[in-house]
Amino acid sequence: QKEVEQNSGPLSVPEGAIASLNCTYSDRGSQSFFWYRQYSGKSPELIMSIYSNGDKEDGRFTAQLNKASQYVSLLIRDSQPSDSATYLCAVNNNNDMRFGAGTRLTVKP
Amino acid sequence: DAMVIQNPRYQVTQFGKPVTLSCSQTLNHNVMYWYQQKSSQAPKLLFHYYDKDFNNEADTPDNFQSRRPNTSFCFLDIRSPGLGDAAMYLCATSRSPGMGANEQFFGPGTRLTVL
Repeated sequence: QKEVEQNSGPLSVPEGAIASLNCTYSDRGSQSFFWYRQYSGKSPELIMSIYSNGDKEDGRFTAQLNKASQYVSLLIRDSQPSDSATYLCAVNNNNDMRFGAGTRLTVKP
Repeated sequence: DAMVIQNPRYQVTQFGKPVTLSCSQTLNHNVMYWYQQKSSQAPKLLFHYYDKDFNNEADTPDNFQSRRPNTSFCFLDIRSPGLGDAAMYLCATSRSPGMGANEQFFGPGTRLTVL
């Protein structure tokens, strides 16, 4: 069974803090990794993709990948109340995309 | 703007009454996917089309069917909806598989209610 595991949360951080979201996966053949943001009642929105080990930064978001540890993370700097959402980790192997159930993040003003 | 469109956004049907959900895209992507997502759960892939090639997930019930008449459109048919089929149905698209080319872009979803 190919699994993507995330802590369901809720994760609560104060406005301006760093939010750290984590994801582990079981399929060692996975090639590409994604973070989606999903507001309540809405569809997932792609915010980051990462394909090689290390860090990838885009604005306030940094994705980190460690294939040896089968671990992906997302850091959100200077968290804003508008970042409050569920964050889905997705892992792809040859067009077989698997999603985690998501971590619910709340940013308190 | 290039986008993925789903209609209707909300669908109410009766137990056992067939329903069709539609998805269209202006991204010209080769691959189209249908997912089912229930509250607080991960999106569950039902099937996908790579061009005209249909790929069904092993655990997708026979009650769910799909059609892709052309590159732009894809339909999800639920032949006899049960109460357990109430969910958000998500359509997504991607370019051909390959490194860096398989980001999936989602439509807004259709919320299905079964009475």
